[in-house]
This record gives sequence, structure tokens and C-alpha cells, in this order.
Amino acid sequence: AQSVTQLDSQVPVFEEAPVELRCNYSSSVSVYLFWYVQYPNQGLQLLLKYLSGSTLVKGINGFEAEFNKSQTSFHLRKPSVHISDTAEYFCAVRDFGNEKLTFGTGTRLTIIP
Amino acid sequence: DAGITQSPRHKVTETGTPVTLRCHQTENHRYMYWYRQDPGHGLRLIHYSYGVKDTDKGEVSDGYSVSRSKTEDFLLTLESATSSQTSVYFCAISESIWTSGRDNEQFFGPGTRLTVL
Repeated sequence: AQSVTQLDSQVPVFEEAPVELRCNYSSSVSVYLFWYVQYPNQGLQLLLKYLSGSTLVKGINGFEAEFNKSQTSFHLRKPSVHISDTAEYFCAVRDFGNEKLTFGTGTRLTIIP
Repeated sequence: DAGITQSPRHKVTETGTPVTLRCHQTENHRYMYWYRQDPGHGLRLIHYSYGVKDTDKGEVSDGYSVSRSKTEDFLLTLESATSSQTSVYFCAISESIWTSGRDNEQFFGPGTRLTVL
């Protein structure tokens, strides 16, 4: 069975500093990987995804993530954060050909002015 | 934005009462999903549908049932609500699970906040 681990439940970062949100997964087959963002009192919005091809994936709002198969990781990064990036971020994995998306427990990113 | 609506958006009910949440889509997508979101657990899949009248259980299906009589609507029913079912419920849709294109994405609705007293 697949699983997703987001070790950091909360990450405080100063405005304009870089940030990395960590995500590790376990699966025995080929996977699709996703990062979703949830702003306060809203639904989930896709930030970026890895389906195939280049392991460095660029998403919206200046975020990027790198798929590392050997380390089973898909960490999310942004070189300079803004107040508007305050949100909860969810990593998710889905096995190829499987309907089910498995989410991590989320990381709450707080930007300090 | 994908055309997904959920109703009601907020509901307060009492233990033991039946509750039905509705998800409606205008995208004609094949797959529909119900998740619940709880602090410390992220989102967990309750049930999903891969076509009209075709449904299957997810990770946390106990106490929930679903129905899909037409492509655009996916109903989630709590037959007898309990306090442990207090949560935020999200519906999602996707077109395909096999391709590597945009139709592989899951798009989420705005959520329904359910409180069971």
C-alpha cells in the first residue's frame, strides 16, 4: 500500500527567505506525485505534479519540486516566499492506473513579516 | 476553474440523524471522489465512483454510503451521523487515470463543513 510522509507539520519562514517542504512516499510501483495548496477556508488547488519526464517540475506561484526516485522524495521549494504563500500544503501520491490518491498529513507554512 | 459545487456548504446536525451531501459537476468527468479532511490526518478517501452506478470503498468508508445515478451528481450519505464524522468533506473529479495529461488531475470542490452535535 502506498503512503506519504510529510515530517514537518508546521514551517515558519521569514518573508523573502527560501523554503523547502519535505515529502517522502512509499510505493512498490510507478507513481504520480502531486503538491496541493489550501489557502484558509478554501478548497485544494493543484500547485504542481510529476507524471513522467523531467524530474524537476515547475508549478504555479514560483514553486518547484524535484522527484527523486532513489530517495522516494518529492520536496517542494520556493527561492523567496511572500506573505501570500501562507497556506497549508499537501503532498499526494497515486499509483499508475489506480484511482486512489493518498495524501500526506499536510505542512502549514507561516510567513513571518 | 473546474465546475464543481457542493451543497450544503455548512451543516450542523445531531447525532443519529441522516445526512446527505451533494457534489455536482459540469465537466462530464468520469471519476468522482469523496474525501474527509481532519487535523493531523490530511485528506482521506471515503468512497469513489468510476462511472454511473459504479462505486467503490476508500480508506475510511465505514458509516458512509454513496450513490451516483447520473454522471454529474455524486451523493454522500451518513445514515446515522456520529460526532466522529464532524469534519470538512471535499468532493473531487477527474477524467482519466491512465493518461499523463491534464485529464489525470483531480480537481476539488469548495468543501462542506459538517458538525455533528
